[in-house]
Amino acid sequence: AQSVTQLGSHVSVSEGALVLLRCNYSSSVPPYLFWYVQYPNQGLQLLLKYTTGATLVKGINGFEAEFKKSETSFHLTKPSAHMSDAAEYFCAVSGHTGRRALTFGSGTRLQVQP
Amino acid sequence: DGGITQSPKYLFRKEGQNVTLSCEQNLNHDAMYWYRQDPGQGLRLIYYSQIVNDFQKGDIAEGYSVSREKKESFPLTVTSAQKNPTAFYLCASSSLMGQGDQPQHFGDGTRLSIL
Repeated sequence: AQSVTQLGSHVSVSEGALVLLRCNYSSSVPPYLFWYVQYPNQGLQLLLKYTTGATLVKGINGFEAEFKKSETSFHLTKPSAHMSDAAEYFCAVSGHTGRRALTFGSGTRLQVQP
Repeated sequence: DGGITQSPKYLFRKEGQNVTLSCEQNLNHDAMYWYRQDPGQGLRLIYYSQIVNDFQKGDIAEGYSVSREKKESFPLTVTSAQKNPTAFYLCASSSLMGQGDQPQHFGDGTRLSIL
């Protein structure tokens, strides 16, 4: 069985500060990992994904995430927060066979203070 | 442009009434999914389908039904048996190429409320 834990349901940063959103996963097989962003009353948009290969993954809007197998983590970072980054962020893990549906974390709401 | 269309955006249900949420995709994806989103709980899988005329229950299928008569369409019916239907419902689709590394594409959701 797979699971995802996102530490911190709410994170607040100042504009220009580092953004760090935490995600830890549990999976019996090498995982496929995803970060999605959701703006109010909208669907989810893919930020980035890790499948195999390079452990530092770059995504859209200046975000990146590092896969650390030893720590079972896939934390999302951005060097400098913008007001437009305020949204809810979801980490998810995918199965390899059979059921391909994503298992999501409970989400982290990012607030950016001026 | 290819994408997923959900309708309506807002829906109200009376007690004892069934309602159907529409989901259409033109991405030529084999797999389609329905998720329910509640505040603080992330997204939970209701049903999914990987091929026409076949679908599988997800983690919270009770009180819901689906059909997959066409590759492009995967409607969700919220039945009167679903006692707490107020939520945001998201439809998604994905390719089945590879081994689970294909991302899911999401519609903009339908917000269902009880009158």
